[in-house]
Amino acid sequence: RKEVEQDPGPFNVPEGATVAFNCTYSNSASQSFFWYRQDCRKEPKLLMSVYSSGNEDGRFTAQLNRASQYISLLIRDSKLSDSATYLCVVNKVNRDDKIIFGKGTRLHILP
Amino acid sequence: DTAVSQTPKYLVTQMGNDKSIKCEQNLGHDTMYWYKQDSKKFLKIMFSYNNKELIINETVPNRFSPKSPDKAHLNLHINSLELGDSAVYFCASSPARTYGYTFGSGTRLTVV
Repeated sequence: RKEVEQDPGPFNVPEGATVAFNCTYSNSASQSFFWYRQDCRKEPKLLMSVYSSGNEDGRFTAQLNRASQYISLLIRDSKLSDSATYLCVVNKVNRDDKIIFGKGTRLHILP
Repeated sequence: DTAVSQTPKYLVTQMGNDKSIKCEQNLGHDTMYWYKQDSKKFLKIMFSYNNKELIINETVPNRFSPKSPDKAHLNLHINSLELGDSAVYFCASSPARTYGYTFGSGTRLTVV
């Protein structure tokens, strides 16, 4: 099983729809979880951290399921500007304490 | 007032050359990183420094040598460049290792 796994997509979604992505991780000792977005030819930007209790930021909701080892991102009322690649990031806690990036899910919002 | 700045933005060079990429952050973060994003868009960590001390050194050819003169700077020197080194190199920083990163805008390296 890969350390962090995401469906690469692309997800083609009409504007205004709700879309959800999942991301699975293999290390049960992982402690920190994040969603980043990356636009074409740009740097990744932190979208939101993912907390155990789940968290919401406007149209975006992130959830963590430790038992099944996955995190999710829900985007409501999607906008054209939401088109991007969404990267799931997991902090694998061990001696190295490094952060593992998923390969990303591409989202295209269609007018 | 750029938070994490790296230079140059683009670098085209011939095989066998030696080149450096510079990174500076003005966020007061303790930890800095170098990541490589290849043509398949996969982001992979190369190095991490915490307060000038090397804490992560992934399996990277020893042609790559990071240097951190102070906690606000992390430079990357690459010797004897090879075609396979072509990629986008991102510098990033975070206040602590369990926090999210702020990335620089990337250096697109093309080795010809």
